[in-house]
Amino acid sequence: DAKTTQPNSMESNEEEPVHLPCNHSTISGTDYIHWYRQLPSQGPEYVIHGLTSNVNNRMASLAIAEDRKSSTLILHRATLRDAAVYYCILRGAYSGAGSYQLTFGKGTKLSVIP
Amino acid sequence: GAVVSQHPSRVICKSGTSVKIECRSLDFQATTMFWYRQFPKQSLMLMATSNEGSKATYEQGVEKDKFLINHASLTLSTLTVTSAHPEDSSFYICSARDNRDRGSSYNSPLHFGNGTRLTVT
Repeated sequence: DAKTTQPNSMESNEEEPVHLPCNHSTISGTDYIHWYRQLPSQGPEYVIHGLTSNVNNRMASLAIAEDRKSSTLILHRATLRDAAVYYCILRGAYSGAGSYQLTFGKGTKLSVIP
Repeated sequence: GAVVSQHPSRVICKSGTSVKIECRSLDFQATTMFWYRQFPKQSLMLMATSNEGSKATYEQGVEKDKFLINHASLTLSTLTVTSAHPEDSSFYICSARDNRDRGSSYNSPLHFGNGTRLTVT
């Protein structure tokens, strides 16, 4: 499986934008880039995903480099509730029954300063 | 949105006993569910993949006789930790993919439960 590399931690001031980077230099042409986040003592939560074009949803934006070797998750205005570990994940192995695994790396722990 | 309910949220058991954790998809059917384990300050580690009606597929290093998985229906998977020991204390998390997304499963989200904190004393 292709690997991702993320900074261990980042800080942001509340109400300011946050750019969370992810490197995936060995990504294959069919790998989607997924982002999940995990709040303390909770299960992960889907944030966004994309293939080639930049994507926006109500939670965040995903900017994907033209060569697809890196991507950036953008939180437009960080709130205290956005403090979490953010995982950048590429599609994993086929699990059968039409489903694929997600393999989690270490992620980036985002701290939001009031 | 799709909801995965995991029960119990916390459990404390004595060494040598068995504990069952349930994972239910509340408003969708899931042929495939995944079980993860997370130790403090570490990432999620995939333990096994369960497909309804067939045997679970375990990741390397995960003992299938110790972590029994049953996926008897399209909305319920259970993980039983047998003869639990203190080193099994961890955060266990299940996830499920909506069957309606199977045709595009490589790019559809996984829905996660809120985890079960197991403490073995």
